[in-house]
Amino acid sequence: AQSVTQPDIHITVSEGASLELRCNYSYGATPYLFWYVQSPGQGLQLLLKYFSGDTLVQGIKGFEAEFKRSQSSFNLRKPSVHWSDAAEYFCAVDGSNDYKLSFGAGTTVTVRA
Amino acid sequence: AAGVIQSPRHLIKEKRETATLKCYPIPRHDTVYWYQQGPGQDPQFLISFYEKMQSDKGSIPDRFSAQQFSDYHSELNMSSLELGDSALYFCASSLGGRYNTEAFFGQGTRLTVV
Repeated sequence: AQSVTQPDIHITVSEGASLELRCNYSYGATPYLFWYVQSPGQGLQLLLKYFSGDTLVQGIKGFEAEFKRSQSSFNLRKPSVHWSDAAEYFCAVDGSNDYKLSFGAGTTVTVRA
Repeated sequence: AAGVIQSPRHLIKEKRETATLKCYPIPRHDTVYWYQQGPGQDPQFLISFYEKMQSDKGSIPDRFSAQQFSDYHSELNMSSLELGDSALYFCASSLGGRYNTEAFFGQGTRLTVV
């Protein structure tokens, strides 16, 4: 079975500082990996995804993520956080190529001025 | 660009009542997925349809049923509602049932059972 762990429930970061959100997955083979962002009361927006190829994936809004097979990780990063990045971030895995996603518990990001 | 439309956006029902949530996929998308996100929880996969046939099933209670119609819209029917059914219900759509395109999520229907 596939599963995702996001170790950090809540992260507070200063505006302009860098951000890294951790994601570890459990799956036998190389899964499809996703990062979604959810603003309060809003739906899920896809930030980026990894299927294969280059392990450093660029996404929208200046986010990137790196797939590390040896660590079973897919951490999300942003060099300089903006106040509008305050939201909840979900890492998700799909091991069967059918969009039956398993989500992590989410990490809430608070941005302070 | 057209997105996934879910209706209603908000719904309040009493225990033991029924509810119907609707999802209108992006035009030409033939695959629909339903997810349930409880308060403070991560989204959980419920069920999916491809070309009007159920393609996969997750943790969907027996009290719930869903279908996809000829115009590809989908409805999630929920009966004998319980307080624990209060959640945000997401629908997503994609084309081809596989990764021909990514799946796009709607804004969700917030169901409150009182």
